[in-house]
Formats: sequence, structure tokens, C-alpha cells
Amino acid sequence: QSALTQSSSVSGAPGQTMTISCTGSSSNIGAGYDVHWYQQLPGTAPKLLIFGNNNRPSGVPDRFSGSKSGTSASLAITGLQAEDEADYYCQSYDNSLSVSVVFGGGTKLTVL
Amino acid sequence: EVQLVQSGAEVKKPGESLKISCKGSGYIFTNYWIGWVRQMPGKGLEWMGIIYPGDSDTRYSPSFQGQVTISADKSISTAYLQWSSLKASDTAMYYCARRRGGPETGWFNPWGQGTLVTVSS
Repeated sequence: QSALTQSSSVSGAPGQTMTISCTGSSSNIGAGYDVHWYQQLPGTAPKLLIFGNNNRPSGVPDRFSGSKSGTSASLAITGLQAEDEADYYCQSYDNSLSVSVVFGGGTKLTVL
Repeated sequence: EVQLVQSGAEVKKPGESLKISCKGSGYIFTNYWIGWVRQMPGKGLEWMGIIYPGDSDTRYSPSFQGQVTISADKSISTAYLQWSSLKASDTAMYYCARRRGGPETGWFNPWGQGTLVTVSS
């Protein structure tokens, strides 16, 4: 059971806007800790997509954006493309654990 | 270019020992924490632990404490993950990643390409 909860799967058609949620608690996201997002394309290593809640590393298209409110965070993908089909993971810090990095369980995005 | 390059796939038998590596390049290796992440077949990412190569300060997830050993050799910019006695349940892909930011705010970038460990009799 992950400290951060994500829907197991979402799907959308090309061009649509998709939102992937990450729900935590008062010991992680709700405590104000930053949320980061990773994209894992099939058969590849995870890649940083969003850091510090809403910052994109260079090279990440501005179709990807992040937000955080209360005990939850969201990743939005606008203008969905076939190449966006991947697993997406959120990550944060949790102050209830002796070592603190926590990942969400991951969301599989399918582009119809 | 900042890069982490991991050692190749391994096939081992239960009870055998193993040490896999993660070599950093393109940055000052001793200045950044390196974390290890497990991904079991068809499953999500699990945080294992982290090491600061500058002084070998190491922290483990409670789930992995005592099960693995994380180390580093700063003279060759390489971090390691090792097992003394593998189990079939250790079969997984293992990733190393460089941490950016602070201990409470940090994220991981870049990631190594992964090392597949298969444990089977």
C-alpha cells in the first residue's frame, strides 16, 4: 500500500486533456512537501517530468503541467498524443517514516 | 551531459551474492546523493535507500534495511547495490538515480538505464 494513491489507469483520445491525480495525507503532501512526477515509457527507465509541484525540466513540453492543493496533487496533459502512452508516478516526502521518499503506485495512461 | 550508467543484466541462483553498479559522469559525483529504486515485474517504483558518495552517509527504507547494502567508491564515481544471499523475490529491475534538491524536497534526475536481476533455480 503506497503512501501516495493514484488511479491505476486512465485513457483518452488524441487531442484531449487528461488529469492524473495523486492523493496523500497530512504526513506528506498535506504537510506542504513538494510533489514530483515521472514518466515511464514502455521498457524504459523513469524520466523526470515535473519537479517542485509545477516546474518542467528543460526539454519537457509545456503540454505537461503540475499542481498541488491540500493533500493532493495533479498532473495535467493537454493535447494528448500517442507518444504520451506511459506509466506516470508521483513522488514526495513523508515525515511519518524513518526514511522518507515515497512514490505513488503509478497510473497507466492509454491513448485510444 | 549528466549520466548514470548501470551494470548489465544478471541471472543468479537463490543464495548467491550479487553486487550491481551505477557509474556517474558529467558532474561532481561526491556532491549529490544517489538513490536506488526497485521495480518488480509489472509493478510500481519502490524506494530502497540512498547514499551520499562524499562521505558514504547511507539511509535505507525500513522495507530494505538489512536486506541489501548500498555503498560507493568515490574514486571511480560509482555507487553499488549488493545482496549477500539472493531470493527469488529479489527478481526485479533496479534503478539508480541522482537526487536533486534537499532531503525534504528532493527529486530524482537523471536515472540510470536499469539493471535487471533475475533469481531462479
